Amino acid sequence: DTEVTQTPKHLVMGMTNKKSLKCEQHMGHRAMYWYKQKAKKPPELMFVYSYEKLSINESVPSRFSPECPNSSLLNLHLHALQPEDSALYLCASSQVFQITSASLGYEQYFGPGTRLTVT
Amino acid sequence: KNQVEQSPQSLIILEGKNCTLQCNYTVSPFSNLRWYKQDTGRGPVSLTIMTFSENTKSNGRYTATLDADTKQSSLHITASQLSDSASYICVVSAKAGSFGNEKLTFGTGTRLTIIP
Repeated sequence: DTEVTQTPKHLVMGMTNKKSLKCEQHMGHRAMYWYKQKAKKPPELMFVYSYEKLSINESVPSRFSPECPNSSLLNLHLHALQPEDSALYLCASSQVFQITSASLGYEQYFGPGTRLTVT
Repeated sequence: KNQVEQSPQSLIILEGKNCTLQCNYTVSPFSNLRWYKQDTGRGPVSLTIMTFSENTKSNGRYTATLDADTKQSSLHITASQLSDSASYICVVSAKAGSFGNEKLTFGTGTRLTIIP
């Protein structure tokens, strides 16, 4: 099973709402990622969790709050978003986050994304 | 500053024809280079991943090449099909920080359209 699943597929929310995006993988991967992608742009890294601990926060506003309850699940909690936050939110996972002499990087598997619209 | 540049920005070809997409990078220290295919509104799907010691890698009708000396890669698509219409993204990996974390730099992609 090389699948990363994301729910919901689409989400429309107002600026005062609180919602969550969910991501799940059962490949035994210990690194999980959140990306934000605007139209016709490449994905931009937001957060990286390595062994369920937050390793990277790419200066993301606090209205985005990640959570990794266990090694298979990754959530992104949303609160008081702005219209400019509308985008495709992608989750990804890989075996580990580190590059070692034994491996020059592991493949990242992406989920199908959640299309978020903030009104 | 790590950068990945792709060309052309967009490409339209007839079904059945071949095409080649280019990727130039200035990423250091280089670990690996990946090509992804992304359909509109979907997550990227991996096509190939190559380390510096690999010059060529194939995945069906997709063949990627890597020249680590000139820091260039290409993705060649043979006998194109309508389903090949997508964005193709070149991603270069580098080792960053004292923990050896992996840092990916994404190219802006080439938008490929196959017409019947």
